[in-house]
Amino acid sequence: ETGVTQTPRHLVMGMTNKKSLKCEQHLGHNAMYWYKQSAKKPLELMFVYSLEERVENNSVPSRFSPECPNSSHLFLHLHTLQPEDSALYLCASSQNHHPKKETQYFGPGTRLLVL
Amino acid sequence: AQSVTQLGSHVSVSEGALVLLRCNYSSSVPPYLFWYVQYPNQGLQLLLKYTTGATLVKGINGFEAEFKKSETSFHLTKPSAHMSDAAEYFCAVSNNNDMRFGAGTRLTVKP
Repeated sequence: ETGVTQTPRHLVMGMTNKKSLKCEQHLGHNAMYWYKQSAKKPLELMFVYSLEERVENNSVPSRFSPECPNSSHLFLHLHTLQPEDSALYLCASSQNHHPKKETQYFGPGTRLLVL
Repeated sequence: AQSVTQLGSHVSVSEGALVLLRCNYSSSVPPYLFWYVQYPNQGLQLLLKYTTGATLVKGINGFEAEFKKSETSFHLTKPSAHMSDAAEYFCAVSNNNDMRFGAGTRLTVKP
């Protein structure tokens, strides 16, 4: 498989559940990203990992917990979410985090619904 | 802080007509500028980007964009729309500190 893959593609969870989103990139990139995409709003960058170290955390609530065990895999652990967290969660990767002119390659996203 | 404004959340054109999607940015340093496209049920895909050099940038699928510093704009154009161009288009601006995306413009192509 090539590019950036994300699983699951769809997820419905209750506010008390714990779930995880998975992202895998097959491009040999060093940087990986989590974005939140809500209707009619700009993409919101949540987390950035470079060489498996978290380099950006943009004021994301602690109910979202990222994990990057190696340069090919990125997880987003979800716990006690709120209905307003329902959105499309996109994973992306790029060759390097800097300079910021690198193209980012996106996965298809996980559509999350919190009930 | 830098920002991106995409004028028009929804643009509708007829097949064969000119496509013009507007993007204005603000940045305190020379920016890097991007256009991404998102087809239904897919992630974003790079159409084109401006980093340095020639201000008219050509991308995939017949799209191009021109960086106009004096107007702080990076509008996306295509001479003749195809039905397959129906998608959501995102402009993004980046410097060495962060990258910001616009809210997107949904393009509809009528037969």
